[in-house]
Amino acid sequence: SQKIEQNSEALNIQEGKTATLTCNYTNYSPAYLQWYRQDPGRGPVFLLLIRENEKEKRKERLKVTFDTTLKQSLFHITASQPADSATYLCPPSTGYSTLTFGKGTMLLVSP
Amino acid sequence: SQTIHQWPATLVQPVGSPLSLECTVEGTSNPNLYWYRQAAGRGLQLLFYSVGIGQISSEVPQNLSASRPQDRQFILSSKKLLLSDSGFYLCAWSHIFGGYGYTFGSGTRLTVV
Repeated sequence: SQKIEQNSEALNIQEGKTATLTCNYTNYSPAYLQWYRQDPGRGPVFLLLIRENEKEKRKERLKVTFDTTLKQSLFHITASQPADSATYLCPPSTGYSTLTFGKGTMLLVSP
Repeated sequence: SQTIHQWPATLVQPVGSPLSLECTVEGTSNPNLYWYRQAAGRGLQLLFYSVGIGQISSEVPQNLSASRPQDRQFILSSKKLLLSDSGFYLCAWSHIFGGYGYTFGSGTRLTVV
C-alpha cells in the first residue's frame, strides 16, 4: 500500500541553523509533491509545489528537492527562526487524485 | 483574490444531535472542494471531495454526508452525531487535482459530548 514517511515526528534545532525535513514514499510515484505548514489549531498553509521533472525549487528561505529515484523529498529552511516552528506536511500527488496527508514533522526552533 | 470561509469556528454538540458545517469559496469558479478531519495528534483524513455541483465522492464510510448545492458551497452534515465524530474539520479548495496547492479554511473544532 502507498505510504508516506517523514523523517521523524519532531525536530529540534537552534535559531539560525538550517532545518532539513525528509519525506520518503513507498509504493508511490508522485508527479507532484507539495509542502505545507500547519500551526496548532489552524489549517495547513501551502508553501511549495515541485514537479517530478524539477530537481529543486526555492522560495525565500525555503528550498525543496525531489529525487524520484530515491522517492525522497528534502525540505530546507535556512537561517531558521522561532517563528518557523510548526508541523510540516508533504503530501504527494499523482496529478489526478486527492492529497493524502501524513502526520508530518513538528519543527521546533529554539532561540 | 480567492478566499475560503468556514464556520462555525467551534461547536459543542450532544450525542445524537444533527450537524451542519458550511464552507464557501470566493474569487474562483468550479473549484475542487474537500472536507478533511483531523483527530488530536493525527494526520488529516479525507472525508469527502467534490469536482462539481452535486458530485460528491466519499472516502470513508461513516456517519457523515456532504453536499454541494452551489458551485462554491460545500456542506458537511450528520443526522445523529457520535462521540467519535469529535475532531477538527477542515474545508479546502483547489483548482484541479495535483498541480495546484490546496487552500484550507480556518477549521471547525467539533466536540461531541
